[in-house]
Amino acid sequence: AQTVTQSQPEMSVQEAETVTLSCTYDTSESDYYLFWYKQPPSRQMILVIRQEAYKQQNATENRFSVNFQKAAKSFSLKISDSQLGDAAMYFCARGQGGSEKLVFGKGTKLTVNP
Amino acid sequence: GAGVSQTPSNKVTEKGKYVELRCDPISGHTALYWYRQSLGQGPEFLIYFQGTGAADDSGLPNDRFFAVRPEGSVSTLKIQRTERGDSAVYLCASSRRTSDFNEQFFGPGTRLTVL
Repeated sequence: AQTVTQSQPEMSVQEAETVTLSCTYDTSESDYYLFWYKQPPSRQMILVIRQEAYKQQNATENRFSVNFQKAAKSFSLKISDSQLGDAAMYFCARGQGGSEKLVFGKGTKLTVNP
Repeated sequence: GAGVSQTPSNKVTEKGKYVELRCDPISGHTALYWYRQSLGQGPEFLIYFQGTGAADDSGLPNDRFFAVRPEGSVSTLKIQRTERGDSAVYLCASSRRTSDFNEQFFGPGTRLTVL
């Protein structure tokens, strides 16, 4: 099975500091997409950032950025200037061009301490 | 509303009963997905619709699970003879199918509890 692995079940960060969440994945395809989703207690999955595998440049969305290492099949999320509202479960997911399903990791629970 | 909606928000049923879970996708989104999220896990794919047809149902765990989307909009996930192991949050997502990238927008989910 082609899997997505998040090795950190829980992480914590002080408000205004930076935290990095790890993700590795397995795929035999060359055309695929990677995503980070945020799931607050309300259960609604919210897309944080995405990365197309064919792009070498790391994606950035405001305080969120990724470190995409294609050869290592690694896709980590960096949150800068952490805010209390960033506290949530974060899921890494992989999708493939032409295949519509997303494969998710088990998630990392992020706590932001004031 | 502008987002994906799911009803009911919570459903409690007894083992052996039949349940239906409803998903209203974002207007104009042709693709619709169902996922199941068990406690402490990430969502797992169940089925994907493109229009009215199920394009990929490889994630349905067994023949007790069935989903329909008769008019290409609202979808219903149906579970027969429910078992305690079916207890989970069932998430629906929709997307406007573009050439390659399918950004999926998720609903808030239905929490199913089988007693």
